Amino acid sequence: GESVGLHLPTLSVQEGDNSIINCAYSNSASDYFIWYKQESGKGPQFIIDIRSNMDKRQGQRVTVLLNKTVKHLSLQIAATQPGDSAVYFCAESMDTGRRALTFGSGTRLQVQP
Amino acid sequence: DADVTQTPRNRITKTGKRIMLECSQTKGHDRMYWYRQDPGLGLRLIYYSFDVKDINKGEISDGYSVSRQAQAKFSLSLESAIPNQTALYFCATSVDGTDEQYFGPGTRLTVT
Repeated sequence: GESVGLHLPTLSVQEGDNSIINCAYSNSASDYFIWYKQESGKGPQFIIDIRSNMDKRQGQRVTVLLNKTVKHLSLQIAATQPGDSAVYFCAESMDTGRRALTFGSGTRLQVQP
Repeated sequence: DADVTQTPRNRITKTGKRIMLECSQTKGHDRMYWYRQDPGLGLRLIYYSFDVKDINKGEISDGYSVSRQAQAKFSLSLESAIPNQTALYFCATSVDGTDEQYFGPGTRLTVT
Protein backbone atom coordinates (compact mmCIF):
# COMPACT_ATOMS: atom_id res chain seq x y z
CA GLY A 1 0.00 0.00 0.00
CA GLU A 2 0.96 3.65 -0.16
CA SER A 3 3.13 4.81 2.70
CA VAL A 4 5.22 7.65 3.98
CA GLY A 5 8.54 6.72 5.51
CA LEU A 6 11.85 8.10 6.71
CA HIS A 7 15.37 6.99 5.76
CA LEU A 8 17.05 7.31 9.16
CA PRO A 9 15.55 6.61 12.55
CA THR A 10 18.20 8.65 14.45
CA LEU A 11 20.34 11.59 13.40
CA SER A 12 23.09 12.99 15.64
CA VAL A 13 24.60 16.39 14.88
CA GLN A 14 26.87 18.88 16.59
CA GLU A 15 25.43 22.10 17.90
CA GLY A 16 25.79 24.78 15.27
CA ASP A 17 25.88 22.38 12.35
CA ASN A 18 23.12 22.13 9.79
CA SER A 19 20.75 19.14 9.97
CA ILE A 20 19.03 17.41 7.11
CA ILE A 21 16.16 15.03 7.78
CA ASN A 22 14.86 13.03 4.85
CA CYS A 23 11.50 11.53 4.01
CA ALA A 24 10.38 9.32 1.13
CA TYR A 25 6.77 9.15 0.09
CA SER A 26 5.16 6.71 -2.30
CA ASN A 27 1.78 8.28 -3.07
CA SER A 28 2.33 10.29 -6.23
CA ALA A 29 -1.14 11.82 -5.82
CA SER A 30 -0.15 13.57 -2.58
CA ASP A 31 -0.24 17.31 -3.01
CA TYR A 32 0.52 18.59 0.46
CA PHE A 33 3.38 17.81 2.81
CA ILE A 34 4.08 18.94 6.34
CA TRP A 35 6.81 18.57 8.94
CA TYR A 36 6.07 18.25 12.63
CA LYS A 37 8.39 18.34 15.62
CA GLN A 38 7.57 16.27 18.67
CA GLU A 39 9.37 16.87 21.93
CA SER A 40 9.29 14.32 24.70
CA GLY A 41 5.94 14.28 26.47
CA LYS A 42 4.30 16.69 24.05
CA GLY A 43 2.11 16.55 21.01
CA PRO A 44 3.48 17.23 17.52
CA GLN A 45 4.05 20.88 16.66
CA PHE A 46 3.89 22.34 13.18
CA ILE A 47 7.21 23.36 11.66
CA ILE A 48 6.67 24.04 7.98
CA ASP A 49 4.58 22.82 5.07
CA ILE A 50 4.77 22.78 1.30
CA ARG A 51 2.39 22.15 -1.55
CA SER A 52 3.22 20.08 -4.58
CA ASN A 53 3.33 23.11 -6.87
CA MET A 54 6.47 24.26 -5.04
CA ASP A 55 9.89 22.66 -4.66
CA LYS A 56 11.26 24.78 -1.84
CA ARG A 57 9.93 26.76 1.05
CA GLN A 58 11.81 28.57 3.77
CA GLY A 59 10.91 29.44 7.31
CA GLN A 60 12.89 30.67 10.25
CA ARG A 61 16.05 28.48 10.26
CA VAL A 62 14.16 25.73 8.42
CA THR A 63 13.82 24.88 4.75
CA VAL A 64 11.71 22.17 3.20
CA LEU A 65 12.66 20.76 -0.20
CA LEU A 66 10.32 18.69 -2.32
CA ASN A 67 11.51 16.53 -5.21
CA LYS A 68 8.45 15.12 -6.90
CA THR A 69 10.47 13.24 -9.48
CA VAL A 70 11.91 10.89 -6.87
CA LYS A 71 9.14 11.45 -4.31
CA HIS A 72 11.47 12.80 -1.69
CA LEU A 73 11.02 15.44 0.98
CA SER A 74 13.67 16.91 3.23
CA LEU A 75 13.80 19.25 6.19
CA GLN A 76 16.90 21.34 6.64
CA ILE A 77 17.59 23.01 9.97
CA ALA A 78 20.27 25.67 9.98
CA ALA A 79 22.61 26.19 12.94
CA THR A 80 21.06 23.35 14.92
CA GLN A 81 20.50 24.13 18.58
CA PRO A 82 19.99 21.86 21.62
CA GLY A 83 16.34 22.89 21.62
CA ASP A 84 15.96 21.28 18.21
CA SER A 85 16.44 17.84 19.75
CA ALA A 86 13.18 16.01 19.14
CA VAL A 87 11.48 13.52 16.85
CA TYR A 88 10.58 14.91 13.46
CA PHE A 89 7.71 13.55 11.37
CA CYS A 90 6.80 14.17 7.79
CA ALA A 91 3.20 13.74 6.72
CA GLU A 92 1.32 13.91 3.47
CA SER A 93 -2.19 14.36 2.25
CA MET A 94 -4.05 14.55 -0.99
CA ASP A 95 -7.39 16.01 -1.98
CA THR A 96 -6.68 18.93 0.30
CA GLY A 97 -9.38 19.41 2.88
CA ARG A 98 -11.00 16.04 2.37
CA ARG A 99 -8.45 13.66 3.84
CA ALA A 100 -6.48 13.54 7.02
CA LEU A 101 -2.70 13.38 7.16
CA THR A 102 -0.67 10.20 6.71
CA PHE A 103 2.41 10.25 8.93
CA GLY A 104 5.84 8.71 8.53
CA SER A 105 7.51 6.86 11.38
CA GLY A 106 9.73 9.73 12.54
CA THR A 107 13.43 10.59 12.87
CA ARG A 108 15.01 11.37 16.21
CA LEU A 109 17.37 14.34 16.04
CA GLN A 110 20.01 14.46 18.77
CA VAL A 111 22.04 17.64 19.08
CA GLN A 112 25.42 17.19 20.72
CA PRO A 113 26.83 20.19 22.62
CA ASP B 1 -0.81 23.52 22.63
CA ALA B 2 -3.03 24.79 25.44
CA ASP B 3 -5.85 25.41 22.96
CA VAL B 4 -6.32 21.65 22.59
CA THR B 5 -6.64 19.77 25.86
CA GLN B 6 -6.92 16.08 26.56
CA THR B 7 -8.08 14.25 29.64
CA PRO B 8 -6.85 12.17 31.28
CA ARG B 9 -3.15 12.60 30.54
CA ASN B 10 -2.32 9.15 31.85
CA ARG B 11 -4.52 6.13 32.45
CA ILE B 12 -3.92 2.54 33.43
CA THR B 13 -6.81 0.16 33.00
CA LYS B 14 -7.53 -3.55 32.84
CA THR B 15 -8.48 -5.70 29.89
CA GLY B 16 -12.19 -5.60 29.18
CA LYS B 17 -12.85 -2.23 30.80
CA ARG B 18 -14.57 0.62 28.98
CA ILE B 19 -12.45 3.72 28.66
CA MET B 20 -13.25 7.21 27.38
CA LEU B 21 -10.63 9.73 26.38
CA GLU B 22 -11.78 13.30 26.02
CA CYS B 23 -10.60 16.15 23.86
CA SER B 24 -11.64 19.79 24.05
CA GLN B 25 -10.54 22.72 21.94
CA THR B 26 -10.94 26.47 22.17
CA LYS B 27 -9.68 27.17 18.66
CA GLY B 28 -13.12 27.20 17.10
CA HIS B 29 -12.01 24.65 14.52
CA ASP B 30 -14.60 22.49 12.81
CA ARG B 31 -12.40 19.48 12.25
CA MET B 32 -11.16 17.14 14.93
CA TYR B 33 -9.09 13.96 14.78
CA TRP B 34 -7.96 11.07 16.96
CA TYR B 35 -4.59 9.38 16.38
CA ARG B 36 -2.65 6.71 18.18
CA GLN B 37 1.12 6.54 18.37
CA ASP B 38 3.08 3.39 19.10
CA PRO B 39 6.80 3.30 19.92
CA GLY B 40 8.91 3.67 16.79
CA LEU B 41 5.89 4.39 14.64
CA GLY B 42 4.24 7.49 13.33
CA LEU B 43 0.75 8.60 14.18
CA ARG B 44 -2.08 6.51 12.78
CA LEU B 45 -5.55 7.91 12.28
CA ILE B 46 -8.39 6.32 14.24
CA TYR B 47 -11.36 8.60 13.52
CA TYR B 48 -11.94 12.08 12.26
CA SER B 49 -14.86 14.49 12.25
CA PHE B 50 -15.40 17.39 9.88
CA ASP B 51 -18.29 18.76 11.91
CA VAL B 52 -20.72 17.62 14.57
CA LYS B 53 -22.73 15.52 12.11
CA ASP B 54 -19.85 14.21 10.02
CA ILE B 55 -17.75 11.41 11.53
CA ASN B 56 -15.44 9.19 9.53
CA LYS B 57 -13.36 6.10 10.19
CA GLY B 58 -9.62 6.29 9.85
CA GLU B 59 -7.18 3.52 9.04
CA ILE B 60 -7.39 1.76 12.44
CA SER B 61 -10.94 2.30 13.75
CA ASP B 62 -11.65 -1.29 14.83
CA GLY B 63 -12.11 -1.50 18.59
CA TYR B 64 -12.77 2.23 18.93
CA SER B 65 -15.79 4.52 18.76
CA VAL B 66 -16.14 8.29 18.92
CA SER B 67 -18.66 10.93 19.82
CA ARG B 68 -18.67 14.54 18.69
CA GLN B 69 -20.75 16.11 21.44
CA ALA B 70 -20.21 19.67 20.26
CA GLN B 71 -17.93 21.59 17.95
CA ALA B 72 -15.41 21.86 20.76
CA LYS B 73 -15.54 18.30 22.07
CA PHE B 74 -14.57 14.98 20.53
CA SER B 75 -14.29 11.87 22.68
CA LEU B 76 -12.75 8.51 21.92
CA SER B 77 -14.04 5.31 23.55
CA LEU B 78 -12.60 1.87 23.89
CA GLU B 79 -15.64 -0.30 24.61
CA SER B 80 -13.60 -3.26 25.84
CA ALA B 81 -9.94 -2.39 26.18
CA ILE B 82 -7.27 -4.90 25.17
CA PRO B 83 -3.50 -4.82 25.81
CA ASN B 84 -2.57 -4.01 22.21
CA GLN B 85 -4.46 -0.74 22.60
CA THR B 86 -1.71 0.41 24.93
CA ALA B 87 -0.40 3.51 23.19
CA LEU B 88 -0.15 7.28 23.21
CA TYR B 89 -3.34 8.90 21.93
CA PHE B 90 -3.46 12.34 20.36
CA CYS B 91 -6.33 14.60 19.51
CA ALA B 92 -5.90 17.23 16.79
CA THR B 93 -7.93 19.99 15.21
CA SER B 94 -7.84 21.88 11.94
CA VAL B 95 -9.63 24.66 10.16
CA ASP B 96 -12.09 23.59 7.50
CA GLY B 97 -10.37 23.60 4.11
CA THR B 98 -6.79 23.58 5.45
CA ASP B 99 -4.40 20.74 6.18
CA GLU B 100 -2.38 22.00 9.16
CA GLN B 101 -3.43 20.23 12.31
CA TYR B 102 -2.95 21.37 15.89
CA PHE B 103 -2.29 18.64 18.42
CA GLY B 104 -3.13 18.18 22.05
CA PRO B 105 -0.57 16.99 24.61
CA GLY B 106 -1.58 13.34 24.36
CA THR B 107 -3.00 10.67 26.65
CA ARG B 108 -0.83 7.75 27.63
CA LEU B 109 -3.05 4.68 27.97
CA THR B 110 -1.85 1.38 29.39
CA VAL B 111 -4.08 -1.69 29.25
CA THR B 112 -2.95 -4.52 31.53
